[in-house]
Amino acid sequence: EDQVTQSPEALRLQEGESSSLNCSYTVSGLRGLFWYRQDPGKGPEFLFTLYSAGEEKEKERLKATLTKKESFLHITAPKPEDSATYLCAVQLISWGKLQFGAGTQVVVTP
Amino acid sequence: DAGITQSPRHKVTETGTPVTLRCHQTENHRYMYWYRQDPGHGLRLIHYSYGVKDTDKGEVSDGYSVSRSKTEDFLLTLESATSSQTSVYFCAISDRGHNEQFFGPGTRLTVL
Repeated sequence: EDQVTQSPEALRLQEGESSSLNCSYTVSGLRGLFWYRQDPGKGPEFLFTLYSAGEEKEKERLKATLTKKESFLHITAPKPEDSATYLCAVQLISWGKLQFGAGTQVVVTP
Repeated sequence: DAGITQSPRHKVTETGTPVTLRCHQTENHRYMYWYRQDPGHGLRLIHYSYGVKDTDKGEVSDGYSVSRSKTEDFLLTLESATSSQTSVYFCAISDRGHNEQFFGPGTRLTVL
């Protein structure tokens, strides 16, 4: 069965304390992996798409990487405005729709 | 924000009543989606549309129907609402075939 698992479920960081979120997947043929950010009471906001192992994408303090089994979202020197829930989603070759993980809730305190 | 609106934004209804949620876009994107989001489950696809009058089921489609008579509108109907359909519903659009999707603000539905 295709699965997407995000860890940890929640992460509390001090401002400036870098960390990484994990998205592991067991799927039968990955077409792409997507990262989204979701603020409370809002819809998810698209961040990155990764298509092949070894690929990296960056945006401000965020960097996403992809291996054959998992993806990491690195948050470097986070600020309070980086507080959000981060969602990953996989797109399968066999079924092109997105399958989402449950998310990691990140809180960054000043 | 992408031009996506959802209505209503909040709704409380009773078990057994019909409910229709509306998604409206101004981006002229071909693909539209309905998801539900529940704690511990993430976003799950209910139905999607790949053109006017062209729709298909997602992974949790039981109890839901959809219609798309115009490019800009995608309706989600709960024919007879149940308490298990209490959730936050998100509409999304894409112009690149299931790739980058842009989400609306969501509708919080409570079925008593």
